[in-house]
Amino acid sequence: GAVVSQHPSRVICKSGTSVKIECRSLDFQATTMFWYRQFPKKSLMLMATSNEGSKATYEQGVEKDKFLINHASLTLSTLTVTSAHPEDSSFYICSATPSGDEKLFFGSGTQLSVL
Amino acid sequence: DAKTTQPNSMESNEEEPVHLPCNHSTISGTDYIHWYRQLPSQGPEYVIHGLTSNVNNRMASLAIAEDRKSSTLILHRATLRDAAVYYCILSLRVAGNQFYFGTGTSLTVIP
Repeated sequence: GAVVSQHPSRVICKSGTSVKIECRSLDFQATTMFWYRQFPKKSLMLMATSNEGSKATYEQGVEKDKFLINHASLTLSTLTVTSAHPEDSSFYICSATPSGDEKLFFGSGTQLSVL
Repeated sequence: DAKTTQPNSMESNEEEPVHLPCNHSTISGTDYIHWYRQLPSQGPEYVIHGLTSNVNNRMASLAIAEDRKSSTLILHRATLRDAAVYYCILSLRVAGNQFYFGTGTSLTVIP
């Protein structure tokens, strides 16, 4: 199956700093990628749809100025958590779909801890 | 987004079959039924998906009710590595469409 690589797998940062998470499709091009967050023992919550070459589409209740998404190429989308606070600590997961495929392929996730 | 309902948890003995149910009474004719599973601290992994007919692959089987308002994921012989949270998801029959996750079923496999 297709491979989605996510980096870093774990990051610890101080409150007030910004953190960037990368999501790459390694063996396919993805015009659309998706970003999820997951709290402990909870389900995945869709945050936004990342569109190559255009603005991301955010789900209701997700602050677009807080979670900046850039999808500058067909193989890379980034999520930047700006001015991170402890309540932003969560597991962030990206996913993508090869053109013509109905399945989603997920990255291995990034555990963000904000001190 | 169409909703799915799954039991919160299930248990199975190792090497026995497991039937994981999912109700999706509001499914539309353009929705696929997907199943993914997630191990702790990992991203979800694709298991199987279908539209109307039952589906089989090397991981599992998917039985879809005739009215498509429910489906069952079948693991033919549960192993300890199958212990995970299993999610049943509906998605529009369009590649690149968003997937909205429900609460899922946490499967425990007993040795």
